[in-house]
Amino acid sequence: DVKVTQSSRYLVKRTGEKVFLECVQDMDHENMFWYRQDPGLGLRLIYFSYDVKMKEKGDIPEGYSVSREKKERFSLILESASTNQTSMYLCASRATGRRDQPQHFGDGTRLSIL
Amino acid sequence: GQNIDQPTEMTATEGAIVQINCTYQTSGFNGLFWYQQHAGEAPTFLSYNVLDGLEEKGRFSSFLSRSKGYSYLLLKELQMKDSASYLCATREGNNRLAFGKGNQVVVIP
Repeated sequence: DVKVTQSSRYLVKRTGEKVFLECVQDMDHENMFWYRQDPGLGLRLIYFSYDVKMKEKGDIPEGYSVSREKKERFSLILESASTNQTSMYLCASRATGRRDQPQHFGDGTRLSIL
Repeated sequence: GQNIDQPTEMTATEGAIVQINCTYQTSGFNGLFWYQQHAGEAPTFLSYNVLDGLEEKGRFSSFLSRSKGYSYLLLKELQMKDSASYLCATREGNNRLAFGKGNQVVVIP
């Protein structure tokens, strides 16, 4: 079974802090994704990466950056946290190849910015 | 870009059948996924359709009509554990998924 692990289930930070959310997958997947999920808005893609050191902006990249130094790890960075970044953050990974390959999700990090 | 529409909530009785609809508009359709998400948990993969027709997997079936931009997920013999949000997502190109807002299904005894 694919295992996608997010470092924290719950996190509380203060406005202006630099925040790191970590995600690790154990299936040697090329592709990794960061989403945020908000009530009434669904899952929205922030950034994704299709290879080490490669990154692509998703639909809502403003206020975020990412890092992919190793294949198994994809980090989401909030450079200067703001209250509107309070949300559930979900990481996912996917193998390249067959088009029916689904994305596999971690359990999520519920981030509160005070 | 993609525009995906799902109804927000429905209630159904244990043992019944429920159909969850999803309509989409996309510039480059490359498959449609259904996910189940229990409250506070990760979305888990249910089904994938890329060709028109019905795909059956046990109690769950998923249908796709590409010409109509329409899919549905059919849940049969509903169980209490099926209470969850059901997410429809279309793939554009090779990698990205665009998700609908999800449909909350509440199963009552």
